[in-house]
Amino acid sequence: GENVEQHPSTLSVQEGDSAVIKCTYSDSASNYFPWYKQELGKRPQLIIDIRSNVGEKKDQRIAVTLNKTAKHFSLHITETQPEDSAVYFCAATDPNDYKLSFGAGTTVTVRA
Amino acid sequence: EPEVTQTPSHQVTQMGQEVILRCVPISNHLYFYWYRQILGQKVEFLVSFYNNEISEKSEIFDDQFSVERPDGSNFTLKIRSTKLEDSAMYFCASSDSGRLGQPQHFGDGTRLSIL
Repeated sequence: GENVEQHPSTLSVQEGDSAVIKCTYSDSASNYFPWYKQELGKRPQLIIDIRSNVGEKKDQRIAVTLNKTAKHFSLHITETQPEDSAVYFCAATDPNDYKLSFGAGTTVTVRA
Repeated sequence: EPEVTQTPSHQVTQMGQEVILRCVPISNHLYFYWYRQILGQKVEFLVSFYNNEISEKSEIFDDQFSVERPDGSNFTLKIRSTKLEDSAMYFCASSDSGRLGQPQHFGDGTRLSIL
């Protein structure tokens, strides 16, 4: 099955700086990669996703890049704000089933 | 914006008892999922459900677990005889298609505590 690795496990950034989270996946057949933000005690909330026919996608301050050859994808948050503090999970889905395989999560802390 | 709703928000149960966790997926969605998250760990897939049957299940989803869509709106997860290690947050999710690239939307979760 799919195995998703996520790094770093924790990330502390100064407000206004950028944050980058990286994930790798094992199944070359995977071709949908969502990112979820989870605040303490709340639901995982989809913030951005990318499909394998696209190399990069941007939505305001967040962007995701995908390198299919290397089987890795990254989340970039620019101009970080205190409300960006949360746990971020990457995930991958392969075309043979519908389940999401999640990474272990990155706890992002934005220092004011 | 339509949401997935889950009840109860917190369930405390004695070990060995049965629990039923309830979910109301987004109304026009056809694919339903249960995931669990043990405290401090990642979200893990349990089961997916489409057209009134299980489409896939993980190794976690053993004979103690079952799912049901008893009517046109509810989707339930039953744990027949709970164990201490079943303590976790259980999330229901739904998507409007099982095709690749269809976002899965999560509910707020049910925190299950087994005593």
